[in-house]
Amino acid sequence: DVKVTQSSRYLVKRTGEKVFLECVQDMDHENMFWYRQDPGLGLRLIYFSYDVKMKEKGDIPEGYSVSREKKERFSLILESASTNQTSMYLCASSLARGYTFGSGTRLTVV
Amino acid sequence: DAKTTQPPSMDCAEGRAANLPCNHSTISGNEYVYWYRQIHSQGPQYIIHGLKNNETNEMASLIITEDRKSSTLILPHATLRDTAVYYCIVEYNTDKLIFGTGTRLQVFP
Repeated sequence: DVKVTQSSRYLVKRTGEKVFLECVQDMDHENMFWYRQDPGLGLRLIYFSYDVKMKEKGDIPEGYSVSREKKERFSLILESASTNQTSMYLCASSLARGYTFGSGTRLTVV
Repeated sequence: DAKTTQPPSMDCAEGRAANLPCNHSTISGNEYVYWYRQIHSQGPQYIIHGLKNNETNEMASLIITEDRKSSTLILPHATLRDTAVYYCIVEYNTDKLIFGTGTRLQVFP
């Protein structure tokens, strides 16, 4: 089975810190995605990537950037964390049809 | 915006079939219907997808109407472990899935 691993399950950061959320997949998938999930708002797409070095903005990219230097790794970066970025962050990968999600990182910004 | 409409919540007795409806009246001819579910505090899990024909796998069955404007996910014998939020998604763009708020299914003993 495809495995998508997110580096941290829980994370607490201070306002203004630079935060890296890491995601690694082990099945050579070309497509990778970052979502955030908030109560009442469902999953919202932040950024996605169809190949190494490529990135596309999703629906809510403001305050975030991404990096895809290797095919298996897709990093989400919060340049200066703010309290409104407290959320559950979910990474996913796919090849053609059907996503595989990681377990999520619950980030709290204080 | 999500292109699907689902009831916010449903209940089902354990052992009974759970039938989860989804409306997607603006679906295009080449768009697939996907179903995922999310158990509390976990990432969403793929269940099944289809284009025109009904589909079945070890987890569920997917019934798509002939006009493709709606579909139903069927869990034939619901268990307590099937309690989750179920998302019906129409593929917006190749591999770019837009999630709505889903249906919260509660299976009770």
